[in-house]
Parts: sequence; C-alpha cells; structure tokens
Amino acid sequence: QSVLTQPPSASGTPGQRVTISCSGSSSNIGRKTVNWYQQLPGTAPKLLMFTNDQRPSGVPDRFSGSKSGTSASLAISGLQSEDEADYYCAAWDDSLNGMVFGGGTKLTVL
Amino acid sequence: QVQLVESGGGVVQSGGSLRLSCVVSGFTFSSYGMHWVRQAPGKGLEWVAFIWYDGSNKYYPDSVKGRFTISRDNSKNTLYLQLNSLRVEDTAVYYCARVMSDWGTASDWGQGALVTVSS
Repeated sequence: QSVLTQPPSASGTPGQRVTISCSGSSSNIGRKTVNWYQQLPGTAPKLLMFTNDQRPSGVPDRFSGSKSGTSASLAISGLQSEDEADYYCAAWDDSLNGMVFGGGTKLTVL
Repeated sequence: QVQLVESGGGVVQSGGSLRLSCVVSGFTFSSYGMHWVRQAPGKGLEWVAFIWYDGSNKYYPDSVKGRFTISRDNSKNTLYLQLNSLRVEDTAVYYCARVMSDWGTASDWGQGALVTVSS
C-alpha cells in the first residue's frame, strides 16, 4: 500500500489531454513539494517535474504540474505515442522521515 | 555529463549479504545527498535509503532498517548499499539517485542493479 495514492491506469488518444492525480496527507504533499517521475518501458525513472510545477531542461512544455493542499496532478497535453510510460508522484514525508512514492500510473496511448 | 553507474548486483540466497556500489561522475559528489530506490519485478518504486552529502545522517524505511546500511566515500565518488539478512521480497532492481535541495527530488538516476534473492 503506497503512502501517496494514484490511479493505476490512464489512457488517451494522440492529441488529447490527460491528467494524473496524486493524493497524500499533511505530512508529505501538504507541507512538501511534489515531484513526478516518468519511467519508459525497460528504463530507469527520469525526473519529469519538480517543486510541484517546474520542468527540468529538455522536458516538453506539454507536461505541466500543479498542487493544491494535499493533492497534486500532472497534466499531459497534445498526447503523443512516446508518452506511453509509467508515471510516479513522490515527496518527502516529515512523519516517516523518508521519501514516499505513489503506486504509479500506467499511461496508455490508444 | 552526469553519470551514475551501479554494480554489485547478483543472485544470493535468503539470509545472505551483498554490497552494491554506485560510482558517479559529472558533478561534485561531495555536495549532494544520495538515495537508493528499488523496484521489485512488475511493481512500483520504493525508497530504500538516504544519506546526507557528508555521510553524517542516514535514513531508512522500516522495511529495511537494521538490515541495510547506506554509506559513501567522497574521495572515490562512490555510494554504497550493504544488504544483509536478505529476504526473497528484497528481490528488485536497485537504483542510486542524486538528491536535490528538496530531499524528495531525485534529479539523476543510474541504470540500476538487479538483486535476486533465492529461497
């Protein structure tokens, strides 16, 4: 059972906009920044979004992040086939004194 | 460019030990905290350990506390994870990752090292 809660799957057609949610609590998302990781099939995770809504260099602006209270979301607009991957939200948890992840959302591009 | 390369994975029997290494390049290793994160086959990501830039503080989840030890040698640009009393459920790919100022942000990841624990 993951500390952060994500839907296990999401899907969309090319060009569509898809949103992935991440729910936490006051000890993690409620007081810490949220980060998102993208894991393409057979590869290591890659930082996709940090500090709630900041994109590392090289990440297309089709990806955007937001946070409100104890929840966060990742939006992907203009969906492309290469976006098919697993997406994980994460944050530091002050009560657990550790990094916590969501269970991951498998994004399928139909 | 930034590189993190894990090594030391392999097959070990339940109750056995293994030491993973992560050699880094492309950044000043001694200035950054480091995580170990694992991923069991077909499962999600699980944080395993965190160490401060100077090795003075270490953090573990309850699932590995007392069995795993994170350490570093800044003179060798190398991060370690000592895995003792291994269990079948420790079977996973283990990744090392560089930590940014927010401890939940792992900016760069290695390719991973597979640890298989047999019964």
